[in-house]
Amino acid sequence: KQEVTQIPAALSVPEGENLVLNCSFTDSAIYNLQWFRQDPGKGLTSLLLIQSSQREQTSGRLNASLDKSSGRSTLYIAASQPGDSATYLCAVRRSSASKIIFGSGTRLSIRP
Amino acid sequence: GAGVSQSPSNKVTEKGKDVELRCDPISGHTALYWYRQSLGQGLEFLIYFQGNSAPDKSGLPSDRFSAERTGGSVSTLTIQRTQQEDSAVYLCASSLGVGQPNEKLFFGSGTQLSVL
Repeated sequence: KQEVTQIPAALSVPEGENLVLNCSFTDSAIYNLQWFRQDPGKGLTSLLLIQSSQREQTSGRLNASLDKSSGRSTLYIAASQPGDSATYLCAVRRSSASKIIFGSGTRLSIRP
Repeated sequence: GAGVSQSPSNKVTEKGKDVELRCDPISGHTALYWYRQSLGQGLEFLIYFQGNSAPDKSGLPSDRFSAERTGGSVSTLTIQRTQQEDSAVYLCASSLGVGQPNEKLFFGSGTQLSVL
């Protein structure tokens, strides 16, 4: 059974710092992994998707990496801004026709 | 539509009543998912549709929960005889459903269900 863990549950850093959010999963046989952002009272917005055959994806100040053998993914945020404050969730899919399992998220706060 | 639409956005009901939650996926998306998010928690998978069929309904918590999808589009999640522990945000998501590994998931804003 696939389990997805995100540590820490909450993180507070000053504006301008680079930071890394962690995601680990127990079953390395994954199809893809997505990182999402959730703002309070809102739905989820997809940030980056890494296919099983890929090692990383980049979008602007965000970079997500995937290491299937160790069951880990990281989301790197460069030059953090207060607008980056949100909860970040990772989600893993086992196959093209399977459900998507979410971690419990990391609540990120960027201090001005 | 432009995005995944869920209605109502908020629902307050009394314990024991039945509720129906609706999801309109993005036009052309054949895959549809329901998740539940309790306060301060992650997303709990409920059910997954491909077209009108549900290959995976393993996350439905009890037989009080059911879901259907008609015409390969709109889906309804029904909770019978609601209990206080059913209070949560119910999120719907859709994707193209063509089985490509770069296929992203798009979420609606959710229905906040409160059972008094």
